[in-house]
Amino acid sequence: EIVLTQSPGTLSLSPGEGATLSCRASQKVSSIYLAWYQQRPGQAPRLLFYGASTRATGTPVRFSGSGSGTDYTLTINRLEPEDFAVYYCQQYGDSPWAFGQGTKVEIK
Amino acid sequence: EVQLVESGGGLVQPGGSLRLSCAASGFSFSDYAMIWVRQAPGKGLEWISVISGSGGTTYYADSVKGRFTISKDNSKNTVYLQMNSLRVEDTAVYYCAKGGAIIRTFCDYWGLGTLVTVSP
Repeated sequence: EIVLTQSPGTLSLSPGEGATLSCRASQKVSSIYLAWYQQRPGQAPRLLFYGASTRATGTPVRFSGSGSGTDYTLTINRLEPEDFAVYYCQQYGDSPWAFGQGTKVEIK
Repeated sequence: EVQLVESGGGLVQPGGSLRLSCAASGFSFSDYAMIWVRQAPGKGLEWISVISGSGGTTYYADSVKGRFTISKDNSKNTVYLQMNSLRVEDTAVYYCAKGGAIIRTFCDYWGLGTLVTVSP
């Protein structure tokens, strides 16, 4: 079973700053099977990226996804107020299709 | 427009059963896998189960294997989650999500969720 560990647990930043979120897998995950989601308070999750770096419909260009093997990164350039949320990575290559525990990006 | 609407949540005692439904519209339902994901209060996302477009292939998380059953009625555009032997730790918001054409898939659209509370 693949375990995804996200870091940091919480990121305290100001609007306009950049954010770098990490997702590390306990074993190699093919990049085609790695997704990122955003969940705002009180809302359902929303797909941001699949295949590690392919933007889902509606994902702003200030977001980028990268990585391979066991290390994946979600980068947000110049945080907007609506970007303060919890972000989850997920692998869907091997059952169970696990999520990481999430990184909360909060306003400093 | 893709729409997913979950129903069937509620309060149930430990050991009881519930059946969740998710009505889908806006896409060719039989062509896509469907997924259930849950979120306990104040916690992260937990993947529960996936079913292929045809309904012939399913996978489950270990935490629910043998207790939960996912199924799909392509004539009704509805996916179900039958939950038996419920435990207090199954308390969560349950989301259904649309997957891709293959079972190894991410969740590209999500419903709003339905709350299941397991309590004596």
